[in-house]
Amino acid sequence: GAVVSQHPSRVICKSGTSVKIECRSLDFQATTMFWYRQFPKQSLMLMATSNEGSKATYEQGVEKDKFLINHASLTLSTLTVTSAHPEDSSFYICSARDWDRGINGYTFGSGTRLTVV
Amino acid sequence: AQTVTQSQPEMSVQEAETVTLSCTYDTSESDYYLFWYKQPPSRQMILVIRQEAYKQQNATENRFSVNFQKAAKSFSLKISDSQLGDAAMYFCAYRRSNSGGSNYKLTFGKGTLLTVNP
Repeated sequence: GAVVSQHPSRVICKSGTSVKIECRSLDFQATTMFWYRQFPKQSLMLMATSNEGSKATYEQGVEKDKFLINHASLTLSTLTVTSAHPEDSSFYICSARDWDRGINGYTFGSGTRLTVV
Repeated sequence: AQTVTQSQPEMSVQEAETVTLSCTYDTSESDYYLFWYKQPPSRQMILVIRQEAYKQQNATENRFSVNFQKAAKSFSLKISDSQLGDAAMYFCAYRRSNSGGSNYKLTFGKGTLLTVNP
């Protein structure tokens, strides 16, 4: 089945540094990538949507200069948290959409737990 | 904007029993899709079942079935013969049928944490 590999699974960084999270679709072309943020015991909040080769579309209230999204190829999308602060600590999940699989074509990564100290 | 509401933050069920998780949604669209996703402790999101709004028949996947009431905008999930492995956070999700500029994004409810007691 379709697999999205998300790395790293856990990362601890110092306040003020940047962290990059990668999501790779291993056996399909991810035409659209969704990036979510999830707080403990809460729902997935969509941060942004990116289509391959295009600029990402950010949800209201999400700082695009802080959360940089790159979707340069059909198999790789990255989320960079710039100048991270402790309040950015959270669980980040990507979800890739495979158009060929139609309505079932949403595959989630296993998530990245970011801790900013 | 579409909203998805799960009114039960937590539910518990005895192993082998049946449990129903509730979900309501708000939309002005007539055609859309509804989903139930499971997020176990591993945090990996897993699709449990989906329902197309244009279909009157309720979707079923083995021990999982839904009760889709379009007029009431209700979409509950029934888990029969509950197993220990069913313990997880369950999210109800909505998606428009046509993108409408939304990139076919999913809108999630806040989730219901299901505990299965042995």
